[in-house]
Amino acid sequence: GNSVTQMEGPVTLSEEAFLTINCTYTATGYPSLFWYVQYPGEGLQLLLKATKADDKGSNKGFEATYRKETTSFHLEKGSVQVSDSAVYFCALSDSDSWGKLQFGAGTQVVVTP
Amino acid sequence: SAVISQKPSRDICQRGTSLTIQCQVDSQVTMMFWYRQQPGQSLTLIATANQGSEATYESGFVIDKFPISRPNLTFSTLTVSNMSPEDSSIYLCSVGPTHTEAFFGQGTRLTVV
Repeated sequence: GNSVTQMEGPVTLSEEAFLTINCTYTATGYPSLFWYVQYPGEGLQLLLKATKADDKGSNKGFEATYRKETTSFHLEKGSVQVSDSAVYFCALSDSDSWGKLQFGAGTQVVVTP
Repeated sequence: SAVISQKPSRDICQRGTSLTIQCQVDSQVTMMFWYRQQPGQSLTLIATANQGSEATYESGFVIDKFPISRPNLTFSTLTVSNMSPEDSSIYLCSVGPTHTEAFFGQGTRLTVV
C-alpha cells in the first residue's frame, strides 16, 4: 500500500537558516505529492504540490521537487523566519484516489529569533 | 478550487453523548473524506463518503461509532457517537475534485470531558 515517511521533529533553527524536511514515499501508479502546513491552533493549509515527475512546487519561498527516481519530495527554504514555525505534513494522492490523501507523520519546525 | 465550511469549529462535550459535524462545499464533488487528527499526531482517514451509497470506512473505524451521511453532492455529516475522552481530536472534512487537488475545511476541534 501507499505510505509517506518524513523526518522526525522537532527541527529547531535560527532565523535565516536553511530548512530541509525530508519526505520519501511508496506508491503504486503516478501519485500527486503535497506539502501542507499547520500553524499553531489553525487548520491545514496547502503549501505546495507537484503532480508529475520532475515538477517543482513552490510557494512563500518554499520549494519541493518530485523525484521519481528517489521517490522523494523534500521541502526546502533558503532563509526561514519565525513565522515559519509550524508543523509540516508531506502527503500523497494516488492517481485513482480522487483526492484521498496519505499523510506523513508531520515535522514540527521551530524557528527562533 | 473548493471552499469548505465546517461546523461547529469547536465543541466541548460530555462523555457518552454524540456530536454531529457538518461539512458544506461550494461546488459539487463526487467524493468527500473525513479525517481525524489526534493531539500531536498526523491525519488519519476515517472514511470516504460517496453520494447515494454507504460510506467506506478505513481499518479501525466502524459505522456504529462514526456514522456518516451524504445526502447530496455538496454536503456531508460525520457523527461521533457515544464519545469518550479518547475521541478528543480535530476532525476534518476534505474534498478532492481530482487526484491532483485536495481541499480541507478548517476542522472541528472536539474535547470530550
